[in-house]
Amino acid sequence: NAGVTQTPKFQVLKTGQSMTLQCAQDMNHEYMSWYRQDPGMGLRLIHYSVGAGITDQGEVPNGYNVSRSTTEDFPLRLLSAAPSQTSVYFCASSSGPRVDGGYTFGSGTRLTVV
Amino acid sequence: EDKVVQSPLSLVVHEGDTVTLNCSYEVTNFRSLLWYKQEKKAPTFLFMLTSSGIEKKSGRLSSILDKKELSSILNITATQTGDSAIYLCAVTTGTASKLTFGTGTRLQVTL
Repeated sequence: NAGVTQTPKFQVLKTGQSMTLQCAQDMNHEYMSWYRQDPGMGLRLIHYSVGAGITDQGEVPNGYNVSRSTTEDFPLRLLSAAPSQTSVYFCASSSGPRVDGGYTFGSGTRLTVV
Repeated sequence: EDKVVQSPLSLVVHEGDTVTLNCSYEVTNFRSLLWYKQEKKAPTFLFMLTSSGIEKKSGRLSSILDKKELSSILNITATQTGDSAIYLCAVTTGTASKLTFGTGTRLQVTL
């Protein structure tokens, strides 16, 4: 059971480039979400989804797009990378409102924008 | 706007000490409070609390929720160097579709 898989683990981008961070889960979880973690700021929510075809914005959505065409996948797209998007990105999933084990997190993607 | 505050921000203790980490929240339509431990990579789940006054325990770790005070504590007894980590508190609201995190408490346990 792989859980939540994120790729790539590390990425360096130049300012203005675009890229997609991949997230896949094999637990048939309804809920998926993306967070970024910056020093001293905890994890902040970027976008989230409560099921295939349904997405919504979190606290810091600007500069990012998401889509949820399948239950398993929830990619995060950076449209035009900026140095302010240098961060560690985590994808997480859970089985929904009756969850008793919290969210499961992927191992993260460390992104540097130069 | 939902808000979660953790204290202290960082803490250094000696092995064998007992520590108490605090989490307070101001949210609309509270559902649950969760504690996570983060070492080098992804946060790992410790506890989920939904009912006030019921302690959850796992080995040397325990946690309790006080819905009247809108807060929770995480206790670690007989600390070990392996307890060194960032401890994150998060809250869910409504249908629990997302987590709102505090900034975390960085715990360092020294010999």
